[in-house]
Amino acid sequence: DIQMTQSPSSLSASVGDRVTITCRASQSIRSYLNWYQQKPGKAPKLLIYAASSLQSGVPSRFSGSGSGTDFTLTISSLQPEDFATYYCQQSYSTHTFGQGTKLEIK
Amino acid sequence: EVQLVESGGGLVQPGGSLRLSCAASGFTFSSYDMHWVRQPTGKGLEWVSAISTAGDTYYPGSVKGRFTISRENARNSLYLQMNSLRAGDTAVYYCARAAAGSHYGMDVWGQGTTVTVSS
Repeated sequence: DIQMTQSPSSLSASVGDRVTITCRASQSIRSYLNWYQQKPGKAPKLLIYAASSLQSGVPSRFSGSGSGTDFTLTISSLQPEDFATYYCQQSYSTHTFGQGTKLEIK
Repeated sequence: EVQLVESGGGLVQPGGSLRLSCAASGFTFSSYDMHWVRQPTGKGLEWVSAISTAGDTYYPGSVKGRFTISRENARNSLYLQMNSLRAGDTAVYYCARAAAGSHYGMDVWGQGTTVTVSS
């Protein structure tokens, strides 16, 4: 099975900051990597699919990059509504989620 | 409006069974692969099962042989039959639609239904 490892597990940042979250796969997953945002008590929301494609309706301050085993999610200028938990997910061979990164207000 | 609504969660004893349902509306259900994903309280997401438009099914090792995913396109419904339930199966269970092309993420999610396995 493919393992997904996110770093950091938690992160404190301020409104306006640029933030990067990393996701590493245990083997190559080409570009089959997706990113989700989840707020407390809510279902996850798809942000980025295929490593770098922005899901419809998602603000352009979110971007993704990477291929093979190493991927990043970047938020260019944090907004108050961005404080949430973020998950990566590989869809190359069945599906596996990373353990999540909790983004908190500094 | 595109929508998924789960039902069927509840309290069940260890070793028991439960069947979850997911009602789809607002899109052509038969044209999409579908997933079940679960989340224990305070923990991360775990993919539980998937079914293709052709009816092919997929499971992780943690539930293979105990859980069965199925779909009934005429009723726009997705199901998850869960047998031999364990305390570790306690979680909120979400159904989710695979974006066009099952490699491209899960783009529509239900609100979740809670399963508690306890004596």
